[in-house]
Amino acid sequence: NAGVTQTPKFRILKIGQSMTLQCTQDMNHNYMYWYRQDPGMGLKLIYYSVGAGITDKGEVPNGYNVSRSTTEDFPLRLELAAPSQTSVYFCASSKQGIGGNTIYFGEGSWLTVV
Amino acid sequence: DQQVKQNSPSLSVQEGRISILNCDYTNSMFDYFLWYKKYPAEGPTFLISISSIKDKNEDGRFTVFLNKSAKHLSLHIVPSQPGDSAVYFCAARAINTDKLIFGTGTRLQVFP
Repeated sequence: NAGVTQTPKFRILKIGQSMTLQCTQDMNHNYMYWYRQDPGMGLKLIYYSVGAGITDKGEVPNGYNVSRSTTEDFPLRLELAAPSQTSVYFCASSKQGIGGNTIYFGEGSWLTVV
Repeated sequence: DQQVKQNSPSLSVQEGRISILNCDYTNSMFDYFLWYKKYPAEGPTFLISISSIKDKNEDGRFTVFLNKSAKHLSLHIVPSQPGDSAVYFCAARAINTDKLIFGTGTRLQVFP
C-alpha cells in the first residue's frame, strides 16, 4: 500500500530554474495539500485542493503553482527558483476535510536552491 | 504571526515517566486540534486529535487535554518509551476551513 508518494526525494536547483514536484496518492482521497517545512519551523501550507479541478492558496503560495487534473495527482511547480524556496516539501491527502479525518503525509522532498 | 506556538523546542524524559508536550494558540476560531509525530527523513504521522467541544481525548498511552479558556492544549504520553523519541507538532484548524496551522514542533527524547 503506497499511500502518498512524492518524487523526487532530493533535488538541487540553480537560481532561476524551474521544476515540478510530483505527488500521487492511491487512497482515492478528495483532499490534497502541499506543505513546506523550513529548519526549526512548523509546516506551512502552500496550496491545497478539495477535488479534481479545484485548487486554492494556502499561507505561502507565492512562487508556486499547482494543478489537479486527476484525483490521484497533485503536482507542485516552482517557477524561477529562489534560495528562499530551499526547504523540505510535504504532500498530504485526506478523504474529506480535516475535521475527524486523518491526513496522510508523504515522506518529503528535499529541495536546495543554489 | 505564529498562531500556534510550541514554546519548548525540546524535552528530555526518562523511560517509563510521563512526557507532557504543550501547545498554545491565539485564534479563537480554531475548532479542531491535532498532534503529529515526525521521525527524521519521514513525513509527519497522525497521533491524536480533539474537537473543541471536548476537553480530553485518550488513545492508549496518549491523552490530549484542551483548555479553551486558556487557549492551551497538551499531549501526555504515559509511560514514555524510547520509540517515542521524535518531533511532535501541534496543529489547529479554523472553523469551516480545510487548512491546518502547525506549531514549530517539540523534539522529545526518551532516554533509558
